[in-house]
Amino acid sequence: EAQVTQNPRYLITVTGKKLTVTCSQNMNHEYMSWYRQDPGLGLRQIYYSMNVEVTDKGDVPEGYKVSRKEKRNFPLILESPSPNQTSLYFCASSVSLGGEQFFGPGTRLTVL
Amino acid sequence: AQSVAQPEDQVNVAEGNPLTVKCTYSVSGNPYLFWYVQYPNRGLQFLLKYITGDNLVKGSYGFEAEFNKSQTSFHLKKPSALVSDSALYFCAVRASSASKIIFGSGTRLSIRP
Repeated sequence: EAQVTQNPRYLITVTGKKLTVTCSQNMNHEYMSWYRQDPGLGLRQIYYSMNVEVTDKGDVPEGYKVSRKEKRNFPLILESPSPNQTSLYFCASSVSLGGEQFFGPGTRLTVL
Repeated sequence: AQSVAQPEDQVNVAEGNPLTVKCTYSVSGNPYLFWYVQYPNRGLQFLLKYITGDNLVKGSYGFEAEFNKSQTSFHLKKPSALVSDSALYFCAVRASSASKIIFGSGTRLSIRP
């Protein structure tokens, strides 16, 4: 089954404790992206990747890192999480930049 | 700079009536336009897209959208609403020359029986 998977689905952590949210797709898609969803703000793009080893900042990259060492994986790293990073995070992939995006199920992160 | 606006936070429609969810955009150059739907506790699902060609685009679940270049709009429509259409709808835009994708703030569609 074609899908985008994210782990963990739920995470409660404390300020400053490094964490990684994994994202994997099995569709051989080139374009991958991370978004955060906050009430009233819609989805805001954090980082995106056009292909392996090619990543770029979205609209809200501060406090986040990403890497794309393999085509299928695009982890999101929070080196020192803060409470304002409490949000619902989505990973997405598409065959190309103009294609429809397939979204993962989301990761709800709470930073205390 | 790219931007997209969904002017209505909520749209309420009676079942069987036509529905419209509004979206306007601003990009430099030609736009790529998308609609996505989010059901409770789920990720987003693709509904339809406009890249080029016919201004009326048909998508999943009986939805369609009309691209209007002069009004820079891409409104989502359905002739007859179903209760199961109740969800959160997002419009998204990307300029053909850009790599970033911008989403609107979302419109909650509520269909009453």
